[in-house]
Amino acid sequence: GAVVSQHPSRVICKSGTSVKIECRSLDFQATTMFWYRQFPKQSLMLMATSNEGSKATYEQGVEKDKFLINHASLTLSTLTVTSAHPEDSSFYICSARDPLAGGQGEQYFGPGTRLTVT
Amino acid sequence: AQSVTQLGSHVSVSEGALVLLRCNYSSSVPPYLFWYVQYPNQGLQLLLKYTSAATLVKGINGFEAEFKKSETSFHLTKPSAHMSDAAEYFCAVSDPGGYQKVTFGTGTKLQVIP
Repeated sequence: GAVVSQHPSRVICKSGTSVKIECRSLDFQATTMFWYRQFPKQSLMLMATSNEGSKATYEQGVEKDKFLINHASLTLSTLTVTSAHPEDSSFYICSARDPLAGGQGEQYFGPGTRLTVT
Repeated sequence: AQSVTQLGSHVSVSEGALVLLRCNYSSSVPPYLFWYVQYPNQGLQLLLKYTSAATLVKGINGFEAEFKKSETSFHLTKPSAHMSDAAEYFCAVSDPGGYQKVTFGTGTKLQVIP
């Protein structure tokens, strides 16, 4: 089956620094990837849709200058949290859609990255 | 706009008992519907999906769900709960068109009592 990886799985950083999270599709090419954040005991909230070769589409209320998304290739999207603050601490999950899956909407999820900002 | 509502943030069942997790959807077009499971500190794993074919969908680990248009429901069931089923379950809806953005429900935490 389709596999999506994320790196790192856990990261602790100091307030004011930037952190980059990678999302890779390992056995398929993903023209579209999605970034979600999940607060404790809550559901996933879509942050942005990442499209290979073009600018990401951000959801309402998500600061695009703070959460920089780069979809540099068909297998890699990165999320950079700039000038991180403690309130950015969360579980970040990416997903990727396999365009060869017949357009059935299924997304494959990465294992998530736990970000803690101290 | 599309949305899903999961009734019950916590459900407890005894091991071997029926599992029923409720999900109702709202969509202006025929939706695609999904159930995902999440174990602590992990990503989401697809259990099953409905994409306008058979209304009764069978998934992994013995789970199944039935799409009922008249009730706008897509409840998840399993005849006999196992301890390993304890996890968080998310119902999700997608519009077949466009970017196929997926909207998740608030989740139901399933506890299985030995």
